[in-house]
Amino acid sequence: RKEVEQDPGPFNVPEGATVAFNCTYSNSASQSFFWYRQDCRKEPKLLMSVYSSGNEDGRFTAQLNRASQYISLLIRDSKLSDSATYLCVVTHYNTDKLIFGTGTRLQVFP
Amino acid sequence: EPEVTQTPSHQVTQMGQEVILRCVPISNHLYFYWYRQILGQKVEFLVSFYNNEISEKSEIFDDQFSVERPDGSNFTLKIRSTKLEDSAMYFCASNERNQPQHFGDGTRLSIL
Repeated sequence: RKEVEQDPGPFNVPEGATVAFNCTYSNSASQSFFWYRQDCRKEPKLLMSVYSSGNEDGRFTAQLNRASQYISLLIRDSKLSDSATYLCVVTHYNTDKLIFGTGTRLQVFP
Repeated sequence: EPEVTQTPSHQVTQMGQEVILRCVPISNHLYFYWYRQILGQKVEFLVSFYNNEISEKSEIFDDQFSVERPDGSNFTLKIRSTKLEDSAMYFCASNERNQPQHFGDGTRLSIL
């Protein structure tokens, strides 16, 4: 079983739509959680950290459910520039290495 | 905004040759990392480095790989005898303690 699992997509949505991505992680020792975005053949870029209480940054909202080992990302009012692959990332207690999911591809069309 | 920089952007090497990938982490960061991403696959951790020594390494990081911080600014990844399966994007990252990691824009390594 993969340690971090994501639906690979692609999700094809029109501009202005709301879209949600889910991620599950298998290791209960996971401590920190992030969403990164990656454009084609580019580096991962931090989108947001995910906190237990949930957090919002503009059009983006992240949620964490430790009991279910589940993380989500909601994007409201999608823009063409949101087209990218969204990577769910976790770390474990006492280690800094990032463990990546395979990513969910989003394509926003006009 | 400060950036992690990597050189070269693309490296083409014959199988069996040595290759050195270079990174300049963000200047006040103390923790450094290498990751790789084979085309179409997920990003994978290779090694972390702090205080001039390896903190952690993955099973991918075998005896063919080494890292070095030869001076106050550079952080290098060396592959001693490259194999076809080493072809990938290699990303360097750095951070301050307990802060998110920032990635360089990668070196695409092509082994012929």
